[in-house]
Amino acid sequence: KAGVTQTPRYLIKTRGQQVTLSCSPISGHRSVSWYQQTPGQGLQFLFEYFSETQRNKGNFPGRFSGRQFSNSRSEMNVSTLELGDSALYLCASSSSFGANEKLFFGSGTQLSVL
Amino acid sequence: DQQVKQNSPSLSVQEGRISILNCDYTNSMFDYFLWYKKYPAEGPTFLISISSIKDKNEDGRFTVFLNKSAKHLSLHIVPSQPGDSAVYFCAASGETSGSRLTFGEGTQLTVNP
Repeated sequence: KAGVTQTPRYLIKTRGQQVTLSCSPISGHRSVSWYQQTPGQGLQFLFEYFSETQRNKGNFPGRFSGRQFSNSRSEMNVSTLELGDSALYLCASSSSFGANEKLFFGSGTQLSVL
Repeated sequence: DQQVKQNSPSLSVQEGRISILNCDYTNSMFDYFLWYKKYPAEGPTFLISISSIKDKNEDGRFTVFLNKSAKHLSLHIVPSQPGDSAVYFCAASGETSGSRLTFGEGTQLTVNP
């Protein structure tokens, strides 16, 4: 079974631009979550989607948004990029939504904002 | 408000010895705990988990201990191998958080040959 696929792997943008990241979950998985990892900060939860609906949202500004399609694939968008948005963005999928779910992560998209 | 804390940013051990990674949490609603391992340029991979109804879970060389009264868990790796060198993240979730995991900051484990 193929794992979680994230594209692109690397991205360089300048301040003020917007960016869209893509995630394809493991086949059969219906829940997709997004996390931001910055050095020394661990992984910070962005949002979670299940059945095309946002089920949970972390403490990030409205510039961060996402969506999920009917095939469970997900995209996240960051508008008006700031230098502090430089991070590794990780997508994770799980078979369902709810407690005690194991998350399976992709390799991430490394975003650099110049 | 860091609800899951890993107070040791790094740990260095000799090959063959025991590695003990620690994690503390503050939210008493957490009832499921996981450990993930992360290599550079890769996403975290699931290692082992424990439910709050247990105090120990073992999987091969990896054992996780949970002390609910102290809100503390630890991951033991015995024996440690050089391939175990990675960043280890502790994570927690609760009944009301859906699939959302709250992660600690991570501990860089280095196993020296």
